[in-house]
Amino acid sequence: ELKVEQNPLFLSMQEGKNYTIYCNYSTTSDRLYWYRQDPGKSLESLFVLLSNGAVKQEGRLMASLDTKARLSTLHITAAVHDLSATYFCAVDLYTDKLIFGTGTRLQVFP
Amino acid sequence: NAGVTQTPKFQVLKTGQSMTLQCAQDMNHNSMYWYRQDPGMGLRLIYYSASEGTTDKGEVPNGYNVSRLNKREFSLRLESAAPSQTSVYFCASVSPRDSYEQYFGPGTRLTVT
Repeated sequence: ELKVEQNPLFLSMQEGKNYTIYCNYSTTSDRLYWYRQDPGKSLESLFVLLSNGAVKQEGRLMASLDTKARLSTLHITAAVHDLSATYFCAVDLYTDKLIFGTGTRLQVFP
Repeated sequence: NAGVTQTPKFQVLKTGQSMTLQCAQDMNHNSMYWYRQDPGMGLRLIYYSASEGTTDKGEVPNGYNVSRLNKREFSLRLESAAPSQTSVYFCASVSPRDSYEQYFGPGTRLTVT
């Protein structure tokens, strides 16, 4: 059974600081997705990672995938308040089905 | 394009009542999904449909039924609602041409009392 674990589950960080969210998964896959969810809202796609070593960047966020380690990271550079949200990783089982992690709730304070 | 739409946005049911959640997409996607999201948890797959006329169970199908009416529409039915089905329900669709990225609807917040 595929398990997708994120850590930390909750992250409170100061503006301007850097931090990394980790997503570990338990079976082979080279398709991983990162989503953002604001309170009371739907999920918004951030990154699609489709091969070992894939790296994508958008603004202050950078995501990477290491399929051998079964690990993806979401790195936050110089955090700002607007990044406060819950971030989910999701792993594709090659059957068009995604298994989601439990999410990392990020709070950025001044 | 409206993307993925869901109705209703909010619903309150009493235990034992039935209702159908509607989902439609205008992106010509083949695969559609129903998820539930409980507080502090990720999304769990209820049912999915890889194409018109086919449906399959996901991780938590008990207490639900689905219908893939046509390529655009995928409905979720609760025959006899229970308080444990209080949740936020999301519909999604995916196009293989778009890196299998899933597009989500706005969600339906359901409370069963």
